[in-house]
Amino acid sequence: AQKVTQAQTEISVVEKEDVTLDCVYETRDTTYYLFWYKQPPSGELVFLIRRNSFDEQNEISGRYSWNFQKSTSSFNFTITASQVVDSAVYFCALSEAYSGGYQKVTFGTGTKLQVIP
Amino acid sequence: SQTIHQWPATLVQPVGSPLSLECTVEGTSNPNLYWYRQAAGRGLQLLFYSVGIGQISSEVPQNLSASRPQDRQFILSSKKLLLSDSGFYLCAWAGTNTDTQYFGPGTRLTVL
Repeated sequence: AQKVTQAQTEISVVEKEDVTLDCVYETRDTTYYLFWYKQPPSGELVFLIRRNSFDEQNEISGRYSWNFQKSTSSFNFTITASQVVDSAVYFCALSEAYSGGYQKVTFGTGTKLQVIP
Repeated sequence: SQTIHQWPATLVQPVGSPLSLECTVEGTSNPNLYWYRQAAGRGLQLLFYSVGIGQISSEVPQNLSASRPQDRQFILSSKKLLLSDSGFYLCAWAGTNTDTQYFGPGTRLTVL
């Protein structure tokens, strides 16, 4: 069974600090996909990134970066020079390899990030 | 580009009343559709998913039901609401050959 653990329930940082959100996953599949979503106070989940299990290269997008380590089953998300607009709940998610039809995505419980001005 | 709509945005209903939440997707064909519920301060719970018109699968037994009368329309219903049905309901879609889900703006339901 798939499982996603986000051990950090809430994190508070002062604006301009760097912050890392942890995500640890469990799966029996060798092919799988990992996701991060952002849920601002408005409620809508915003897709941030999707990575497949064969691509362990770290990815950077502006102030966002993701560190995928298969050896530790982790897919951590770092925000550099945090801003107040980064305040949101962030969800990590996992799905098995697509085999047609329904694709189940398992979400973590989320980490609430508060950036204090 | 694809867009997903949900309405209403907020809803306050008495216990025992019926419910109908609607989700529509534009700009894509034959999407996979999903209904999730998020209780206050909690994670996402998958309620229903659909891979085609009239095809509904339930993940959790409850007093809710779902229907997909058209390719890009997904409806969540209840005949009699319970207090425990309060929460934030999110609809999502994914392409036929992909697993990335894109979410709508959500409906905040309060059952009193």
